[in-house]
Amino acid sequence: GQQLNQSPQSMFIQEGEDVSMNCTSSSIFNTWLWYKQDPGEGPVLLIALYKAGELTSNGRLTAQFGITRKDSFLNISASIPSDVGIYFCAGLRTALIFGKGTTLSVSS
Amino acid sequence: KAGVTQTPRYLIKTRGQQVTLSCSPISGHRSVSWYQQTPGQGLQFLFEYFSETQRNKGNFPGRFSGRQFSNSRSEMNVSTLELGDSALYLCASSLGASGNYEQYFGPGTRLTVT
Repeated sequence: GQQLNQSPQSMFIQEGEDVSMNCTSSSIFNTWLWYKQDPGEGPVLLIALYKAGELTSNGRLTAQFGITRKDSFLNISASIPSDVGIYFCAGLRTALIFGKGTTLSVSS
Repeated sequence: KAGVTQTPRYLIKTRGQQVTLSCSPISGHRSVSWYQQTPGQGLQFLFEYFSETQRNKGNFPGRFSGRQFSNSRSEMNVSTLELGDSALYLCASSLGASGNYEQYFGPGTRLTVT
């Protein structure tokens, strides 16, 4: 079936650093969504992208819909301890397809 | 506005039994999707219901089924449970309208099959 390749798998950073993660696919998607999941909770929607080339921000988070429509990127600026969690990308065709997630650890 | 709620939050069942999980979407949302999350396979789509009709289905065996009621609340059922069905089951609601595909997740039901 369709798969999204999300990288990196995990990141260990210092508080205040910027973070970048991405998602790539061999298929075109019409919508990209980025979620964050904390332990024991459901994923929380961070950013939704609907147009190729679109760049959208939500506070310290910025995400981009790749112009090929086969990839998307998420950047977190000036990380803080509460950014810890698992970040998932998801691409939509008839249903949401999720990446395997990027686990972010932040040390203060 | 209240978020998506799921009941129960935790469930322990024995192999061979069946289980029913419930999901109440955000008020005004007409689409409910169900996902299975496991460490090995990640988040996988089970099915989507919109206006009481199954609109889309993932690649899961027929033991997994669902339904949606007129108030948009949804249930999913797993029959003849197997050990491999142990997972976090998540439901997500959305408006379901064309052009708006943002899905909002509930906290999930943690199912353990022994």
